[in-house]
Amino acid sequence: SAVISQKPSRDICQRGTSLTIQCQVDSQVTMMFWYRQQPGQSLTLIATANQGSEATYESGFVIDKFPISRPNLTFSTLTVSNMSPEDSSIYLCSVENNNYGYTFGSGTRLTVV
Amino acid sequence: GENVEQHPSTLSVQEGDSAVIKCTYSDSASNYFPWYKQELGKRPQLIIDIRSNVGEKKDQRIAVTLNKTAKHFSLHITETQPEDSAVYFCAASTGGYQKVTFGTGTKLQVIP
Repeated sequence: SAVISQKPSRDICQRGTSLTIQCQVDSQVTMMFWYRQQPGQSLTLIATANQGSEATYESGFVIDKFPISRPNLTFSTLTVSNMSPEDSSIYLCSVENNNYGYTFGSGTRLTVV
Repeated sequence: GENVEQHPSTLSVQEGDSAVIKCTYSDSASNYFPWYKQELGKRPQLIIDIRSNVGEKKDQRIAVTLNKTAKHFSLHITETQPEDSAVYFCAASTGGYQKVTFGTGTKLQVIP
């Protein structure tokens, strides 16, 4: 199955700043998915990133707040912009592995102070 | 869009007993149903999955059943062990590189 390297693993950021999270996959994948997991909660899909086109955002998430790049079939970034304490969460990327389900990156634990 | 409900939210069992977690989904087009285990501070890990052309699948102590008519599926863990303690998430997808919708999670505690 695909192996995903996600970084940073954690960060503490000042409110009003932005953080860019990177995911690198060891194989080419069609779609990459970005999730948010708030403490003690389930995973909520932020957006789906397809190479060569704009990401598709879920209800409640907008491109200005969470811009995504997908420059090639092995890499994607998610930026959390103009952060507030409410953005404190774990952010995970994910890819589909053909018949092996979906694999997740190790996650980025973001704390906004 | 798809909506996945999961019950119970917490479950405590004695070591050696069985644990059952149930999920329902709303989109009849969903045809892929994975289950994930997430230990504290770690990423979700796929433990078993089932596709809509199969009613049951088993892997050692873990089994999943699917009732497409009723739109529900369940995870069964037999002979539970303390290392089974974690949060378990069910999920549903239409497959084909489409998004996955997760249930709300079940925190399983296995008491030695």
